[in-house]
Amino acid sequence: DSGVTQTPKHLITATGQRVTLRCSPRSGDLSVYWYQQSLDQGLQFLIQYYNGEERAKGNILERFSAQQFPDLHSELNLSSLELGDSALYFCASSVGGIGDNEQFFGPGTRLTVL
Amino acid sequence: AQKITQTQPGMFVQEKEAVTLDCTYDTSDQSYGLFWYKQPSSGEMIFLIYQGSYDEQNATEGRYSLNFQKARKSANLVISASQLGDSAMYFCAMREVYSGGSNYKLTFGKGTLLTVNP
Repeated sequence: DSGVTQTPKHLITATGQRVTLRCSPRSGDLSVYWYQQSLDQGLQFLIQYYNGEERAKGNILERFSAQQFPDLHSELNLSSLELGDSALYFCASSVGGIGDNEQFFGPGTRLTVL
Repeated sequence: AQKITQTQPGMFVQEKEAVTLDCTYDTSDQSYGLFWYKQPSSGEMIFLIYQGSYDEQNATEGRYSLNFQKARKSANLVISASQLGDSAMYFCAMREVYSGGSNYKLTFGKGTLLTVNP
C-alpha cells in the first residue's frame, strides 16, 4: 500500500459525459501528479500540482482540468468524454522540493467510456 | 526531449534464475534520475529502484539492482533469484526536472512484460 488513495476504482460512463476523479496523497506529500495509461499511448504525464499551485502540464487535453485543494487532495475533471479517453488514470504523490526522488502511485481509476 | 526505450516487449525466465530487463535513455540534461516500476496484473504501480546520474555506485534494493552505464546511456534492471510473483510489466522511467529543480515529472518507456515460469 503506497498510501495514495484514489476514488473511484472503476468508472463507466457514456460519451459526452463529465466525470471527476479524486486523489488523496500520502500524508506529508505536497506534490500530486496525474498520469494516463492507455494501450496506444502508454503512460503519459498529464499535470502536476505542488501545494495547491499548478507546476507543469504535459499531454493534457483542454477538455481535462485539475485542481489541488487546501487539504492537498486533488481532483481530475474530464469532460465531453470520448471513446479514446478510456484509460487507467493514476495519481502519484511525492514530498516535493529539491532532492525529491520518489513518486508513489495510487491504485488508479479505470475509466471506461461507452 | 527525453526518451526512454525498452526494446524487449516480453521476457521469460525460469524461477530462481536471474533476468536483465533493458532500458536505454536519451537526454541532454546533466542531472537526471532513472526509476524502475513494477505493474502487476492488478494494475498498481510499485516503485522498485532509483539511480541518480551522479551516483557512483549502482543502486540495489534487495533482489533488484540497476546496472547503470552512463556512457552507454543504459539503466538495465537485474532481478536475481526470480520468483513467480515477479511476473508483471516493468517500466523504466526518467525524471525530468523543472521549476528550478524543485519538481519533476516522469517519462516512461513502453514496458517489458516479464513472465516467470515454474
